[in-house]
Amino acid sequence: DIQMTQSPSSLSASVGDRVTITCRASQGISNYLAWYQQKPGKVPKLLIYAASTLQSGVPSRFSGSGSGTDFTLTISSLQPEDVATYYCQKYNSAPLFGPGTKVDIK
Amino acid sequence: EVQLVESGGGLVQPGRSLRLSCAASGFTFDDYAMHWVRQAPGKGLEWVSGISWNSGSIGYADSVKGRFTISRDNAKNSLYLQMNSLRAEDTALYYCAKAAGLGVPDAFDIWGQGTMVTVSS
Repeated sequence: DIQMTQSPSSLSASVGDRVTITCRASQGISNYLAWYQQKPGKVPKLLIYAASTLQSGVPSRFSGSGSGTDFTLTISSLQPEDVATYYCQKYNSAPLFGPGTKVDIK
Repeated sequence: EVQLVESGGGLVQPGRSLRLSCAASGFTFDDYAMHWVRQAPGKGLEWVSGISWNSGSIGYADSVKGRFTISRDNAKNSLYLQMNSLRAEDTALYYCAKAAGLGVPDAFDIWGQGTMVTVSS
């Protein structure tokens, strides 16, 4: 079975910092990779699909890259409203979420 | 407005059954695959089950296979999850989620607010 890992599990950064989250699949998944943002007490929100395509309405400071087994989510300039847990998800065959990365403001 | 509204959650004893429903509105329901995703208190997201637009393709997580059954009624714009032989580890907020329609396979673009299921004696 494919496993999804994320690193780090949590991070604290300053407003304006560039933040990078890594997601790794134990086997190749092509570009069937999505990123979701879940703010505290809220419903998950789709940010990026197909590894690098920004969902409509998502701010351009969010970007994704990668293919195969290694993927990244980058926030180019962290904003206070970006405090959330971020999950990667492989969505080919049986969907599977990564364990999440909690992002806080320093 | 595209909306998903879950219902049917509650407190249930171990070994008993529960049926969740998800009412969809604001989009052509039978054009999209649908999914159930759960989140145990303080934990991450876990995909539970998914169903294609015409019910021709269905999948389950290993953790619920043989106990849960997903179904849909396109005439009623509704998605269901029949949960049998419930266990304490099934305690979670259950979300209904819509496939994004961006291709096959697909990410999930719309989520309901969730319905809480608590399995406890």
